[in-house]
Amino acid sequence: EVQLVESGGGLVHPGGSLRLSCAASGITFSSYVMHWVRQAPGKGLEYVSGISTSGGSTFYAKSVRGRFTISRDNSKNTLYLQTGSLKPEDTAVYYCARELRDSYYHMDVWGTGTAVTVSS
Amino acid sequence: DIQMTQSPSSLSASVGDRVTITCRASQSISVSLSWFQQKPGKAPKLLIYAASRLQSGVPSRFSGSGSGTDFTLTISSLQPEDFATYYCQQSYNTPYSFGQGAKLEIK
Repeated sequence: EVQLVESGGGLVHPGGSLRLSCAASGITFSSYVMHWVRQAPGKGLEYVSGISTSGGSTFYAKSVRGRFTISRDNSKNTLYLQTGSLKPEDTAVYYCARELRDSYYHMDVWGTGTAVTVSS
Repeated sequence: DIQMTQSPSSLSASVGDRVTITCRASQSISVSLSWFQQKPGKAPKLLIYAASRLQSGVPSRFSGSGSGTDFTLTISSLQPEDFATYYCQQSYNTPYSFGQGAKLEIK
């Protein structure tokens, strides 16, 4: 069974940092582009970041560029999101998602999310 | 960056109704569009990709159409389990982007 499990969320003060992880099982992790998407309480989905299969290409939303860093360890089947300079508006549930790239690009498998709360 | 705009933001309908949600991109995205369904406290679920292709396991009452900048998601006959929030998402350019969502409620 294909499964993505996020971890690492929690309560952090403004200006602080957290490292989120997404552990993959049931897939050949190194074959897939991976993404992070977040959802603030009561709000819609917001794209955060993505990374190529090798990790050589990364992309970020403007709202997190320069503060967050996405990475992956294909030997551990794990995706990471290092967050920094956190702001209250970064409070959200963070989801990781696999992107299937056959003829078309689409995020077909999602984790259940990990909650980040930025508050003093 | 590409902006995605959905309409309406919310709608009320009854079981058995036909419902259409629209999504507009700020520039042409060919058919690089997906639709997701999300229920409270759950992760998004992929319904449609490449604008009109039904994801495996998704009921055939869901359909998508469009290309370029204008897209639609149609539910042909609403079922009780379809009351949820629906999002469009473009995968034409990174960073990807989502519409603001359309909340479908029971009338």
